Amino acid sequence: DSGVTQTPKHLITATGQRVTLRCSPRSGDLSVYWYQQSLDQGLQFLIQYYNGEERAKGNILERFSAQQFPDLHSELNLSSLELGDSALYFCASSVVGNTDTQYFGPGTRLTVL
Amino acid sequence: QKEVEQDPGPLSVPEGAIVSLNCTYSNSAFQYFMWYRQYSRKGPELLMYTYSSGNKEDGRFTAQVDKSSKYISLFIRDSQPSDSATYLCAMTAGGTSYGKLTFGQGTILTVHP
Repeated sequence: DSGVTQTPKHLITATGQRVTLRCSPRSGDLSVYWYQQSLDQGLQFLIQYYNGEERAKGNILERFSAQQFPDLHSELNLSSLELGDSALYFCASSVVGNTDTQYFGPGTRLTVL
Repeated sequence: QKEVEQDPGPLSVPEGAIVSLNCTYSNSAFQYFMWYRQYSRKGPELLMYTYSSGNKEDGRFTAQVDKSSKYISLFIRDSQPSDSATYLCAMTAGGTSYGKLTFGQGTILTVHP
């Protein structure tokens, strides 16, 4: 158990809908990262937050947004969902958010029908 | 062409064998190199973390980095059935890349008794 929690574990929804994935980092970690894992693209970095502020951005679609709250938990919002958004979404956390070790949560499996 | 290339395998070896896993990369700015292990339907967990070129050993695992060739390796000695998993290489440049990790596609390893 990495200490990073993610809810829900599974999510099934329809195209065009909006969902919110939640992540709680390890105690003491200030930085949160979101990754998407699909069969064809592998594990891809989406976005990073550090102490409530956006720090780095990957190839995150405009339909996706994230935020980190004062209690350091983070939410990833996915809207206007398409079939191709079906994937595993992982959250990771680290202490300072630079080159320090990232600890991954168990993931949320999103299925868009 | 992807920044990080990793042979997806699958790789099947008998128990006790030495396993060699490899990644090549194109971005010369990468300085921090990691190997993650991912069991089915779980989040990745960090196995090895190395900075710049050289070797690092931890128990049955040895990580090698050759920056001149842009090539990294993970060796597993005396492989066990419990080592059966997907192995992901990851790397980052640090600096203004902050915590953005770039992953290989992952190699599926099966160690049979």
